[in-house]
Amino acid sequence: NAGVTQTPKFRVLKTGQSMTLLCAQDMNHEYMYWYRQDPGMGLRLIHYSVGEGTTAKGEVPDGYNVSRLKKQNFLLGLESAAPSQTSVYFCASSTWETQYFGPGTRLLVL
Amino acid sequence: AQSVTQLGSHVSVSEGALVLLRCNYSSSVPPYLFWYVQYPNQGLQLLLKYTTGATLVKGINGFEAEFKKSETSFHLTKPSAHMSDAAEYFCAVSPADGYNKLIFGAGTRLAVHP
Repeated sequence: NAGVTQTPKFRVLKTGQSMTLLCAQDMNHEYMYWYRQDPGMGLRLIHYSVGEGTTAKGEVPDGYNVSRLKKQNFLLGLESAAPSQTSVYFCASSTWETQYFGPGTRLLVL
Repeated sequence: AQSVTQLGSHVSVSEGALVLLRCNYSSSVPPYLFWYVQYPNQGLQLLLKYTTGATLVKGINGFEAEFKKSETSFHLTKPSAHMSDAAEYFCAVSPADGYNKLIFGAGTRLAVHP
């Protein structure tokens, strides 16, 4: 089992560019999440999904969109990147009580 | 709204010394509680969790934590620090509302020196 995987591992964008981060899990979990990690702030929830075809907003959803077309995949999109979105992005999937995290995607927006 | 406070953004201990990382939460109902560890340039790994039952919880790598409802605390301890324990540690709570969303503290970076 690969667990939770994320692509890409690192990306540099220019302000205004768009991109999609891919999260995949092979544990057949219903719940999936996207977080961002910034220094001194821990992790903050961006969006989450409780099943295929469903999405919901978390604590910091502005500037991001998500889609869950397949149970194993959860995509995070940035339509027009801003320097404030420079961060490390983590995906997680969950059993009914425990989240399992991917290795992260480091994003730099210039 | 729930929140998590981790006292001390940096903690430094000697190898072999007691490790104590503090976590307090605010919640109107008892939440689920977690400690995660993050090694440099890696994702988060679950150390231990409290959901129900025994309030003293044992985790991996010799760590344990005790849920104290009266103090709204969930402090993490390890009797004897090892160099390999140097990492960042995150306390998190989940409101146990069925969606398993996590609210994280800001993290505590643990340094272990010889």
